[in-house]
Amino acid sequence: DAGVIQSPRHEVTEMGQEVTLRCKPISGHNSLFWYRQTMMRGLELLIYFNNNVPIDDSGMPEDRFSAKMPNASFSTLKIQPSEPRDSAVYFCASSSWWEQYFGPGTRLTVT
Amino acid sequence: GEDVEQSLFLSVREGDSSVINCTYTDSSSTYLYWYKQEPGAGLQLLTYIFSNMDMKQDQRLTVLLNKKDKHLSLRIADTQTGDSAIYFCAARNMNRDDKIIFGKGTRLHILP
Repeated sequence: DAGVIQSPRHEVTEMGQEVTLRCKPISGHNSLFWYRQTMMRGLELLIYFNNNVPIDDSGMPEDRFSAKMPNASFSTLKIQPSEPRDSAVYFCASSSWWEQYFGPGTRLTVT
Repeated sequence: GEDVEQSLFLSVREGDSSVINCTYTDSSSTYLYWYKQEPGAGLQLLTYIFSNMDMKQDQRLTVLLNKKDKHLSLRIADTQTGDSAIYFCAARNMNRDDKIIFGKGTRLHILP
């Protein structure tokens, strides 16, 4: 298995632009998680899905953030409009019954 | 809600054993995890332990779980320079909300 796949790996954008991060979970995993990691706040859970349904989005910072999972093999995290404080590494992770594996992350820089 | 705490730094001499400690608050946690993150990389699942186990060993790694004290530890035997990384402890309660709560990570520094 190729593991969790994220794209793009790096994204540099200007403040106010829309950013879309993509994730392909491991086949057969039924849960998907989006995390954000910064030096200041560490690793934060933004949202997670179970069987494609959002279960808990309490970690989503504000309405500028949205996430979808239209099917079992694809999820997106969108930021619109982006702000410099959104600069971070965004990780997607997928989980089977007991194991959770992370993707390589997308490093987002908003200037 | 669940909280996971770990010390931020640990320095160990090469060849010695490293012991990274973690405490959690949810006594109903079902799985406990250790992840390793090297600079510029994602989180790599090292090992996990189910809550009905006391110990799990995998090559140089030994995980000890004390449910009474809600304390988890990761021992790395014969620490090598390649072990230099940040180690995250995480707890998961699959009977409640299935969220995986992470500690802030322990940065392991290897001394020559």
